[in-house]
Amino acid sequence: KAGVTQTPRYLIKTRGQQVTLSCSPISGHRSVSWYQQTPGQGLQFLFEYFSETQRNKGNFPGRFSGRQFSNSRSEMNVSTLELGDSALYLCASSLSVSSEQYFGPGTRLTVT
Amino acid sequence: AQSVTQPDIHITVSEGASLELRCNYSYGATPYLFWYVQSPGQGLQLLLKYFSGDTLVQGIKGFEAEFKRSQSSFNLRKPSVHWSDAAEYFCAVGLSTSGTYKYIFGTGTRLKVLA
Repeated sequence: KAGVTQTPRYLIKTRGQQVTLSCSPISGHRSVSWYQQTPGQGLQFLFEYFSETQRNKGNFPGRFSGRQFSNSRSEMNVSTLELGDSALYLCASSLSVSSEQYFGPGTRLTVT
Repeated sequence: AQSVTQPDIHITVSEGASLELRCNYSYGATPYLFWYVQSPGQGLQLLLKYFSGDTLVQGIKGFEAEFKRSQSSFNLRKPSVHWSDAAEYFCAVGLSTSGTYKYIFGTGTRLKVLA
């Protein structure tokens, strides 16, 4: 069974631009979560989707948004990029909300 | 507030030596417990999990972890470390709070293995 895939793997953007990251969960998994990982802040939870509904949201500004499609694939969008948004963005999928999460390889976003 | 503590930021061991990585959590009930490993530039790989039952859990790559309710701990162990185990290790808990379910990750322990 294929794992969690994330595209693109690497991205370089300029301040003020916007970016969309994509995540395809493991087949059959209906829950998708997004995390931001930086050396200083560690793993920080962004949001979680289950059956196309956002069920949980972390403490991030409204510039960070996401959605989930009927096939469970998910996207997250960051608008008006700031230098501090440079990070590894990780997507994780799970069968249900309370089962173990499986992570993708991440998207490395660099904002210049 | 719920939290996960990994008190050791860095640990260095010699190849072949035993390893124990510490994890403590703060939560009123018993959460679901996980250990993940992350190699540089990669995502997190699930090593093992504890939901209930036997408090000694076996995982992949020869790792095991023991849940101790009295100490609110879930320490990760390996009897003999290999050079390929050098990575960052994260402890995580899954818990229900305020009608939602969430995961909390520790800040990680970076393992260095000496040849």
